[in-house]
Amino acid sequence: DAKTTQPNSMESNEEEPVHLPCNHSTISGTDYIHWYRQLPSQGPEYVIHGLTSNVNNRMASLAIAEDRKSSTLILHRATLRDAAVYYCILREEAGGFKTIFGAGTRLFVKA
Amino acid sequence: EPEVTQTPSHQVTQMGQEVILRCVPISNHLYFYWYRQILGQKVEFLVSFYNNEISEKSEIFDDQFSVERPDGSNFTLKIRSTKLEDSAMYFCASSARQGSYGYTFGSGTRLTVV
Repeated sequence: DAKTTQPNSMESNEEEPVHLPCNHSTISGTDYIHWYRQLPSQGPEYVIHGLTSNVNNRMASLAIAEDRKSSTLILHRATLRDAAVYYCILREEAGGFKTIFGAGTRLFVKA
Repeated sequence: EPEVTQTPSHQVTQMGQEVILRCVPISNHLYFYWYRQILGQKVEFLVSFYNNEISEKSEIFDDQFSVERPDGSNFTLKIRSTKLEDSAMYFCASSARQGSYGYTFGSGTRLTVV
C-alpha cells in the first residue's frame, strides 16, 4: 500500500469544525482513500472513503485534492466523543486483502 | 447496526499455553481479518481469510498462529504456545467485499500472557 503522512496530533474546540489533513503524494490511480478512527479502548471504526470526488456521510466529509495527492477529513462539529486517533489509509481498487494502519492523527477535543 | 462480536473480552493465560480467540463476523460478509495492537503501538495486520483459506498474512503470523472458520459463523485465531510478547489487543474484522469497501471491527480481546 502506498504511504500516507498525517500530523501526529491536532487539537480542536468542541462544536467547531475540524479538518484532518493527509498527504499521499505517491497515490496511484486505482488507490481508494479510506479513513478510520479508533476511540479510546475500542477497535478501529470505518469513517469514510473516496476515490476522486468529495464524499459525505453521516459521520464526516472527505475532500480530495484534484491531483489526489492529499485529502482532508472534515468533522463538521467536533464533539468530545470525536476524540480519537484518525487513520488515513490507501487501498488498491483490486483490494489486496489487508488494510495497513499507520500512526494516525490523535485528535484532542476541548470543551 | 450489524456488529462483529469477539469473545472473550479479556483472557489471561500462562506462557506456553494455547489460546483461542473467537469472533463472529457480520453474517453476509465474506472477508475476515485479524489484527493486533500492542499497548501504545500501531494496529498491525496479522492475516486475512477468504473462501476458507488464508489470503494473505504478515511476518507476525508465524507457525504459532492459525485461523479457522469451523462452522460458517465463527472465525477463530489460535496461538499454539503463547509468549509474553503476544500480550496485546486482538481485533477481528470483516468486510462484504474487498477493495473499496470498509471493514467492520470488533471491540477486541485483550490477551495477557503471564
